[in-house]
Amino acid sequence: DAKTTQPPSMDCAEGRAANLPCNHSTISGNEYVYWYRQIHSQGPQYIIHGLKNNETNEMASLIITEDRKSSTLILPHATLRDTAVYYCIVRANAGGTSYGKLTFGQGTILTVHP
Amino acid sequence: DTGVSQDPRHKITKRGQNVTFRCDPISEHNRLYWYRQTLGQGPEFLTYFQNEAQLEKSRLLSDRFSAERPKGSFSTLEIQRTEQGDSAMYLCASSRRGIYEQYFGPGTRLTVT
Repeated sequence: DAKTTQPPSMDCAEGRAANLPCNHSTISGNEYVYWYRQIHSQGPQYIIHGLKNNETNEMASLIITEDRKSSTLILPHATLRDTAVYYCIVRANAGGTSYGKLTFGQGTILTVHP
Repeated sequence: DTGVSQDPRHKITKRGQNVTFRCDPISEHNRLYWYRQTLGQGPEFLTYFQNEAQLEKSRLLSDRFSAERPKGSFSTLEIQRTEQGDSAMYLCASSRRGIYEQYFGPGTRLTVT
């Protein structure tokens, strides 16, 4: 699986959009970009994933650049409860020999302040 | 609550003792994963089951670790002769074949004294 690079920490004001960047310059054509987050003392929580098109769900939007070498997770109206560690993960489809395991980096600590 | 449960939530044990953790995945999920997370680090993959078959084990899973999923439902992770370096959060996740996201349980925090 390709490696990812994320800033170690970011701040965001409550009610504003939080834009979390991720670089994955060695991504392969069959690899998806996944985002998970982990709120303190809880297990990771799936947020969103995408292959090459931009994606949106009830939690967030995922913008993937045309060359697929980077992406941005957008939380449109951050709340205090969005304070968490956000992990960007690149992973091939859950087939073949990868079995879908996730390889986590250190993620970005997002702090949302009042 | 994701529907994945783990028991116990916390375990304190003395060095050299054996411990066993249990994970109950979402009922229709045939894939089950174990991860370990130490302080300040992201989770690290330990092992994976598809139904009752253990299909992959990380090199992190030493001979002291064993995992089972006897009927393709719940899973257990046993650590024998615990060491202080085993202190970590042990996370279980499940997913359904063809579904991309994994659902994580709350974890079992192990402290070895």
